[in-house]
Amino acid sequence: RKEVEQDPGPFNVPEGATVAFNCTYSNSASQSFFWYRQDCRKEPKLLMSVYSSGNEDGRFTAQLNRASQYISLLIRDSKLSDSATYLCVVNTGNQFYFGTGTSLTVIP
Amino acid sequence: DTGVSQDPRHKITKRGQNVTFRCDPISEHNRLYWYRQTLGQGPEFLTYFQNEAQLEKSRLLSDRFSAERPKGSFSTLEIQRTEQGDSAMYLCASSLVGSNSETQYFGPGTRLLVL
Repeated sequence: RKEVEQDPGPFNVPEGATVAFNCTYSNSASQSFFWYRQDCRKEPKLLMSVYSSGNEDGRFTAQLNRASQYISLLIRDSKLSDSATYLCVVNTGNQFYFGTGTSLTVIP
Repeated sequence: DTGVSQDPRHKITKRGQNVTFRCDPISEHNRLYWYRQTLGQGPEFLTYFQNEAQLEKSRLLSDRFSAERPKGSFSTLEIQRTEQGDSAMYLCASSLVGSNSETQYFGPGTRLLVL
């Protein structure tokens, strides 16, 4: 079983739509959680950390459910510039595990 | 620019040749990670260092791969006798352990093509 599982998509949504991504992880002792954004042929860049209480950064909201071992990312009012691959990342304390990424394309 | 840097950005080599990549982490960061990423996949962990000590290596890291971080600053990743299957993006990331939440910052990667 993979440490981190994500729906690869692709998600194609119109501008202004709300889109949600989910990710599950297998190690219940995982310590910290992140969403990264990766543009085509570029390196991953930190989008936001994910806290148990949930956290919001502008149009982006991240949630963590430790009991069910899943992480979510909600993007409201999608912009063309949000088109990218979104990577779910879990830190077990010794290693960071990455999902395969979810591809998002925002259509005009 | 005080971010993570990697050199070279691109490398084309023939099968059987050796290649070496360099990573310079963010200066105050004590951990340095190497990953490999192929198309359609997330980054796969290869190895990491805390200061100069190599603390963990993935089973993906065959004996043809070796990494060093001799002074606890920059790191090198060497691949000997390259194979076509080694073609990938090699990413380096650094982090500061001891802060509230360890967060990784990535370099731009070295894209390797083995012919």
